[in-house]
Amino acid sequence: DAKTTQPTSMDCAEGRAANLPCNHSTISGNEYVYWYRQIHSQGPQYIIHGLKNNETNEMASLIITEDRKSSTLILPHATLRDTAVYYCIVRETSGSRLTFGEGTQLTVNP
Amino acid sequence: DVKVTQSSRYLVKRTGEKVFLECVQDMDHENMFWYRQDPGLGLRLIYFSYDVKMKEKGDIPEGYSVSREKKERFSLILESASTNQTSMYLCASSLFGDGEQYFGPGTRLTVT
Repeated sequence: DAKTTQPTSMDCAEGRAANLPCNHSTISGNEYVYWYRQIHSQGPQYIIHGLKNNETNEMASLIITEDRKSSTLILPHATLRDTAVYYCIVRETSGSRLTFGEGTQLTVNP
Repeated sequence: DVKVTQSSRYLVKRTGEKVFLECVQDMDHENMFWYRQDPGLGLRLIYFSYDVKMKEKGDIPEGYSVSREKKERFSLILESASTNQTSMYLCASSLFGDGEQYFGPGTRLTVT
């Protein structure tokens, strides 16, 4: 699976959009981009995934660049409860394994 | 809602003890996974299973074994616990071929 690079930490003001970047320059054509988050002392939680097109659900939006070498997870109106470690993962279409990196610690400030 | 439950939230065991960590999911998922999470090392896959009685080694299987006798239950076994197995253990499940994994709350194991 392709490797991902994320900033170690980010801050965001409550009510503002949080934009979390991820670099996956070695991604191949059959690999999906997945995002998970982990709130302190809880198990990770699935957020969203995509292959080529931008995706949106009730939690977030995922913007994937045309060359697919990077992506951005957008939390449109961050709340204090969104403070968590966010993981960007690249996964092949076959198989179900995920490889978690260190992720980005997002802190939403009041 | 998918529910993944783990038998204990906190567990303290002595070195050399045999330890069983149980995980149960209620969504008829084919895949089940065991991870451990340590500061600075992230989540690492220990073992996973695609079906009943089937298991595959993950990235760090040494010192662990697993059992899957029923589809909904996946057990992680530490045959002889050691202090370096002190960690947070997380179980997850998913549909076959699906990257959307559902995680349990975790078991924080301390081996003294």
